[in-house]
Amino acid sequence: DAKTTQPNSMESNEEEPVHLPCNHSTISGTDYIHWYRQLPSQGPEYVIHGLTSNVNNRMASLAIAEDRKSSTLILHRATLRDAAVYYCILRAVSGTYKYIFGTGTRLKVLA
Amino acid sequence: NAGVTQTPKFRVLKTGQSMTLLCAQDMNHEYMYWYRQDPGMGLRLIHYSVGEGTTAKGEVPDGYNVSRLKKQNFLLGLESAAPSQTSVYFCASSFMGAGVYGYTFGSGTRLTVV
Repeated sequence: DAKTTQPNSMESNEEEPVHLPCNHSTISGTDYIHWYRQLPSQGPEYVIHGLTSNVNNRMASLAIAEDRKSSTLILHRATLRDAAVYYCILRAVSGTYKYIFGTGTRLKVLA
Repeated sequence: NAGVTQTPKFRVLKTGQSMTLLCAQDMNHEYMYWYRQDPGMGLRLIHYSVGEGTTAKGEVPDGYNVSRLKKQNFLLGLESAAPSQTSVYFCASSFMGAGVYGYTFGSGTRLTVV
């Protein structure tokens, strides 16, 4: 499985946008890019995923570089409830049934 | 809609004791997974199942066994608990295994082996 690289931690002010980067230089053409977040003392929660085009949902936006070697999770207005560890994960379109989790980015939101 | 339910939520075991962790999902998902998470670490896959009656090994399967007798349940067993198995255990499920489908996780079981 291709690996991802994320900063260990980031800080943001409340109600400001947050851009969480992820590098995946060895991504294959059939790998989906998934983002999850883990709030304190909870299981990971699905945020968003995409293949080639940028994606939006009610939680966040996912911007994928044209060469797909990197992506950015965008939280448009950070709230205190968004403080969590954010994981960027690659999943093949078929044939692979498991996520490989890294250590993610710990996001701290300042009031 | 309960999603993925894990029982128990907390447990303390003595070294050498056995126990079973239960994961139940009500979303009719085919695929189910057991992960463990140690302090400050990401999740590591222990075992997974691609359908009723099937199981397969993940990254860290030693010391654990699993069973998927019913589609909605995935059991994780520790036959002889060791302190190294102190961890938080998460169960997850997905509709199918392909990358287009996301996972739903349970809230975890915190296990301490003394």
